[in-house]
This record gives sequence, C-alpha cells and structure tokens, in this order.
Amino acid sequence: GEDVEQSLFLSVREGDSSVINCTYTDSSSTYLYWYKQEPGAGLQLLTYIFSNMDMKQDQRLTVLLNKKDKHLSLRIADTQTGDSAIYFCAERDDMRFGAGTRLTVKP
Amino acid sequence: EAGVAQSPRYKIIEKRQSVAFWCNPISGHATLYWYQQILGQGPKLLIQFQNNGVVDDSQLPKDRFSAERLKGVDSTLKIQPAKLEDSAVYLCASSLGTGPSGAFFGQGTRLTVV
Repeated sequence: GEDVEQSLFLSVREGDSSVINCTYTDSSSTYLYWYKQEPGAGLQLLTYIFSNMDMKQDQRLTVLLNKKDKHLSLRIADTQTGDSAIYFCAERDDMRFGAGTRLTVKP
Repeated sequence: EAGVAQSPRYKIIEKRQSVAFWCNPISGHATLYWYQQILGQGPKLLIQFQNNGVVDDSQLPKDRFSAERLKGVDSTLKIQPAKLEDSAVYLCASSLGTGPSGAFFGQGTRLTVV
C-alpha cells in the first residue's frame, strides 16, 4: 500500500474524460487491477490488465500500462456523475492499496 | 454467484472490550484477505490466507488482533482488547488465487470504539 502512489483528487465535468494515474512497485506482477469504492461500500473490481499488454479497452474504460515506468492509468470516457467515487489500483501478487484517487464529477 | 458475506455490518463497543468479525468468502476462493480501512484512507492489508495457511500477516498488530480460517473457508478476525484507534471499516475479500480474477470484497463491518 505504501508503495502504490496515486494523486488524491480529480475533478471533472460531466461528459469529459477522466484520467487516473497510478505508480506501482512490483514489476513481476502478472495482473494489475483498478477498483472503485462508492461511499459506504466495499471495493468493486472494475477492470484488470495482463502485464504483457500495454492497453485494454472495456466499454468506457481504457487501461494503459507502461511497464518500463511502472505506470498504470485508467481513462473513463464520457464521465458521468455515477462515476464519482474513490479509485484504487492494485497488483495481483501484492493486494495492497494506496490512498486512492477521489474522483468528483460536476454536472 | 453469491458474493463475500460479512457480519455484523455495524458494531459499537467500548474500549478494552473484545469484538469478532466473520467472513464467508465466495465458494471455491482459496485466498482470503482482511483489510482495515480508516476513514479517509485506503484499505490496509492486515492478513492474507491461502486456504487455511497464513501468507502475509506482517501488518497485523498481533498483540491485540488475531485471525483464523478454519478448514480454509470461513474466517474470523478478533480484536482483544479494542482501542479507540481501531475504529474503522474491516473489509474481507477473497480471490481464486490464480488467473486474472482479482479480489472480490464484502460490504465490510463498521467498528466504532467509544
């Protein structure tokens, strides 16, 4: 958890794209994940990427992976107010979390 | 498919009392995690089980916290005695342990120590 770094806050307008970034530590992890946490709820698995891929698209979500820089990003297209939540990245072989990025979507 | 079940949802106790949380993972999931999430922070991994063996308990405060996973299925997390700073949400998660599937989380137990 301490070694996964994310920016704490992101604010966008409804309909814009959101990009949430994460820097991880373990270059040997086979899978990397993005989770979403809404108020009062547990974490919900959003999507994952296999470490030998550099991009994965899943409907409005695009995950980009730069293994050389250990950088993972999540792009949300056409961001909606329902996307407001805290987003966490995690590594398959070390399920520890950072502080997360709080995404606020303004109407 | 049933999700990860946790109970109770809420618990209020006085400091120095004991408390126990229960988790029933998704059927067939070999790996089980307990996390502590203090308000405004990310989940902190307390302990990870693979079947009924402990994989990682490096962040578990062993003087007051204990956890077990009997028969490699259900798990309980106990705090004895509780301190004010233990007030948090305790999350249980489970995963297959192989392949791409990540961890699936329960709703958590919100503990308030007064």
